[in-house]
Amino acid sequence: AQSVAQPEDQVNVAEGNPLTVKCTYSVSGNPYLFWYVQYPNRGLQFLLKYITGDNLVKGSYGFEAEFNKSQTSFHLKKPSALVSDSALYFCAVREMGGQNFVFGPGTRLSVLP
Amino acid sequence: DSGVTQTPKHLITATGQRVTLRCSPRSGDLSVYWYQQSLDQGLQFLIHYYNGEERAKGNILERFSAQQFPDLHSELNLSSLELGDSALYFCASSEKTGAGNTIYFGEGSWLTVV
Repeated sequence: AQSVAQPEDQVNVAEGNPLTVKCTYSVSGNPYLFWYVQYPNRGLQFLLKYITGDNLVKGSYGFEAEFNKSQTSFHLKKPSALVSDSALYFCAVREMGGQNFVFGPGTRLSVLP
Repeated sequence: DSGVTQTPKHLITATGQRVTLRCSPRSGDLSVYWYQQSLDQGLQFLIHYYNGEERAKGNILERFSAQQFPDLHSELNLSSLELGDSALYFCASSEKTGAGNTIYFGEGSWLTVV
C-alpha cells in the first residue's frame, strides 16, 4: 500500500531564508508525487508534481521539489521564503495504475518577518 | 479559483440528521473525488467517480454515500450524522483517471454537527 510521511509538523523559517518541507513516500511501483498548499479556510492548491524525467521539478510561486528515488523522498524547496508562504503544505503520492491520492499529514510552514 | 464549485460552504445540523453536499467539477473533468479533512484524521479519501461510475472507495462510512450524475456533478450524502462527522469535506476533479493527472480541489463544505 502507498503511504506518505511528512516528518515535521511545523517548520519555522525567517523571511528571505531558504525553506525545505520534507516528504518521504512508499509505493510498490513508480511513484507520481504532488505538492499542494492550503491557506486558512481555503481548499488545497496544486503547486507541482513529479511524473517522470528531470528529478528537479519547478512549480508555482517559486517553489521546486527534488525527487530522490534512492531515498524515496520528494522535498519541497524555495530559495527565499516570503511571509505569504505561511500555510499548510501537503505531499501526496499516487502509484501507477492507482486510483487514489494518498496525502501526508501536512506540514505547517511559518515564515517569520 | 480552481473551477471546482462546492455548495453549501457552511452547514450546521443536528445529530441524526441527513445532509447533501454538492460538487460541480471543472469544465471537461470526468473524475470527481471526495475527501474529508478533520483535525485528528487529516485528509482522508472517501470515494472516486469517473464519468458516472464508482472507481474507488476509501474510508467512507456506510452512513455516507455518493453519486455522480450524467451532467458530471456529484453529491455526497451523509446520514445519521454524529458529532464526529464534523469536518471539512472537499471535492476535487481531474480530466482523466491516470495516475499522473492532477486533481484540483474546491473550497470545501464546512459541516458542523451539534
